[in-house]
Amino acid sequence: GQQVMQIPQYQHVQEGEDFTTYCNSSTTLSNIQWYKQRPGGHPVFLIQLVKSGEVKKQKRLTFQFGEAKKNSSLHITATQTTDVGTYFCAGDNQGGKLIFGQGTELSVKP
Amino acid sequence: NAGVTQTPKFRILKIGQSMTLQCAQDMNHNYMYWYRQDPGMGLKLIYYSVGAGITDKGEVPNGYNVSRSTTEYFPLRLELAAPSQTSVYFCASSATLGGPSGYTFGSGTRLTVV
Repeated sequence: GQQVMQIPQYQHVQEGEDFTTYCNSSTTLSNIQWYKQRPGGHPVFLIQLVKSGEVKKQKRLTFQFGEAKKNSSLHITATQTTDVGTYFCAGDNQGGKLIFGQGTELSVKP
Repeated sequence: NAGVTQTPKFRILKIGQSMTLQCAQDMNHNYMYWYRQDPGMGLKLIYYSVGAGITDKGEVPNGYNVSRSTTEYFPLRLELAAPSQTSVYFCASSATLGGPSGYTFGSGTRLTVV
C-alpha cells in the first residue's frame, strides 16, 4: 500500500536557526497537506499543495511540492519557541483519504 | 462554531471491556474519519465515511466498528478492548474529499487498556 515517509523524526534547534523536514511518498500524489500538532494537542491544518513544483509561503514557513509529486518539504526560517511541535505531511493519492507521515518533532531551545 | 467535538477526553478500560468513542461535527461536512496516533507512528486511518449511511475501512480497522446514521455523528465502537488499542484517537471531518481546506480534527480521546 501507499507509504509516506518523513525525516528526520526529531530535530532540536537553537532559537533563530532554520529547520527543514522532508516527506517522501511511494506513489505519485494528487496533493499533499501539512499539519502542525502542538504538544498534547491535535493536528491543525497548515496548507495544501497541488501542482507539480509548487512553492507556497506562510510568513517564515516555506512549503514545496516536488516536480514528480512524490516528495515535499517544509522549511522554517529563524525558528521561534512558538514553532515547537510535531509537523506532519499527509499525502492524498486521489482516493481522498490522507496517509500521514510519522511526523518530525521540533524542539527549540531559547 | 464548536468544530469537531470528541468525548470522552480520557478513558481507562479493562481488557475485554467495550466502549464507544463519540464524535460530532457542526460544520455540515460530509466526510468524517477516525485516526489513531501512537508515539512516533504518525496517524493511522481506522475508518472513514463519505456521508450518512456510508462507511469504509481504513488501514487499521480490526477491533473497531463505526456507524454514520446522520451527517453530524460518527461514533467509533471498540469491542473486546485489548492493550494494543491503547492510543490517542482523533476524529476529523472535511468539506470535500482531498479538498483545499484540509481536515478539522477534534481534541482527541486518550484511551488506556489495562
